[in-house]
Amino acid sequence: AQSVAQPEDQVNVAEGNPLTVKCTYSVSGNPYLFWYVQYPNRGLQFLLKYITGDNLVKGSYGFEAEFNKSQTSFHLKKPSALVSDSALYFCAVRATGTASKLTFGTGTRLQVTL
Amino acid sequence: DVKVTQSSRYLVKRTGEKVFLECVQDMDHENMFWYRQDPGLGLRLIYFSYDVKMKEKGDIPEGYSVSREKKERFSLILESASTNQTSMYLCASSGAGQGLEKLFFGSGTQLSVL
Repeated sequence: AQSVAQPEDQVNVAEGNPLTVKCTYSVSGNPYLFWYVQYPNRGLQFLLKYITGDNLVKGSYGFEAEFNKSQTSFHLKKPSALVSDSALYFCAVRATGTASKLTFGTGTRLQVTL
Repeated sequence: DVKVTQSSRYLVKRTGEKVFLECVQDMDHENMFWYRQDPGLGLRLIYFSYDVKMKEKGDIPEGYSVSREKKERFSLILESASTNQTSMYLCASSGAGQGLEKLFFGSGTQLSVL
């Protein structure tokens, strides 16, 4: 079975500071990894994905994520946070060869303050 | 712009009622999904479909059924609604094949079962 862990329910950061939202995963075989964001009263939006290749993946709105196979992690990062980044962030995983079934984490609420 | 439309934003039903949640996508996507989102539990997959008239159980299918008679429409059915089915329901779609795993989500239906 595949699973995702997001160990932090909430992350607080001041605007302009770097942010990290943590994600670890468990899957048989090679993973496909994703980050999605949910802004208040809106549906989830795709941020970025890792399929293969470069371990550092760049996505929308200045976000990036680093795939670390040995630590089974896929942490989301941004060099300089904005108040508008405040939202709920979900990490998701699926194994190659498992059709399109994605397993999501429990979500991390990011709060960016002035 | 791609669009996944869920028929209702808010729905209030009584225990024991049969409930239909409708989802339509305009992207000619092969795959469609129903998730429920609960605080602290993240997104959990109820059912998904990778083709017309095809369906597969997700992680929590009990108490639900689905119908996909046309490619663009995927319906979630609560045969006899119960209070523990009060939740936010999210529909999503994606194309088939590598590189097309990105999910597009609807805005969600907040269902309250009284």
